[in-house]
Amino acid sequence: GAGVSQSPSNKVTEKGKDVELRCDPISGHTALYWYRQRLGQGLEFLIYFQGNSAPDKSGLPSDRFSAERTGESVSTLTIQRTQQEDSAVYLCASSLDTTSGNTIYFGEGSWLTVV
Amino acid sequence: ELKVEQNPLFLSMQEGKNYTIYCNYSTTSDRLYWYRQDPGKSLESLFVLLSNGAVKQEGRLMASLDTKARLSTLHITAAVHDLSATYFCAAEDSNYQLIWGAGTKLIIKP
Repeated sequence: GAGVSQSPSNKVTEKGKDVELRCDPISGHTALYWYRQRLGQGLEFLIYFQGNSAPDKSGLPSDRFSAERTGESVSTLTIQRTQQEDSAVYLCASSLDTTSGNTIYFGEGSWLTVV
Repeated sequence: ELKVEQNPLFLSMQEGKNYTIYCNYSTTSDRLYWYRQDPGKSLESLFVLLSNGAVKQEGRLMASLDTKARLSTLHITAAVHDLSATYFCAAEDSNYQLIWGAGTKLIIKP
């Protein structure tokens, strides 16, 4: 596609429910990143994929968070048993690969509100 | 561990003025990125600086990188209202991961 596409763009969920956030990266981009941004804050790195592998999962805030990627394309970020502190915008980004100097392109984000 | 600090975090200025946003980082990094974020929007890539002494310009924005001083600057010339946004810098660590600054919220008053 022309850019990084994320869905849903907005999600309101009840505390304790599970949510799935989807990311379609730019075609041909092997690197895919997930970030979290709380209101008025900077970016918090969650996880990245090179191909379908996630070499570094240390950024995931807790074991309620998981992510997968298939076909070196679509990625899903799953949050189980959501808590109010999970409310944030979840940004997905992609780049050609993870080597140095590649521009990282961001999606519009999935705005999650846990009530 | 690489850390990135931006300053100022908030800047209000008049149209037509010049100003500079600073991005300091704590350990060696040879790559520095600048992004812009409008309210409620995602991040837009502005500049990728790949070497010491790199300078890039786009319109009223100019970014530079001094790897010896571990400093990048984003200079705004003759600011216009349309440049109001939050600006983020990010430095690349040894694992090619971007470490982000907290962002500088820039408000330019007409």
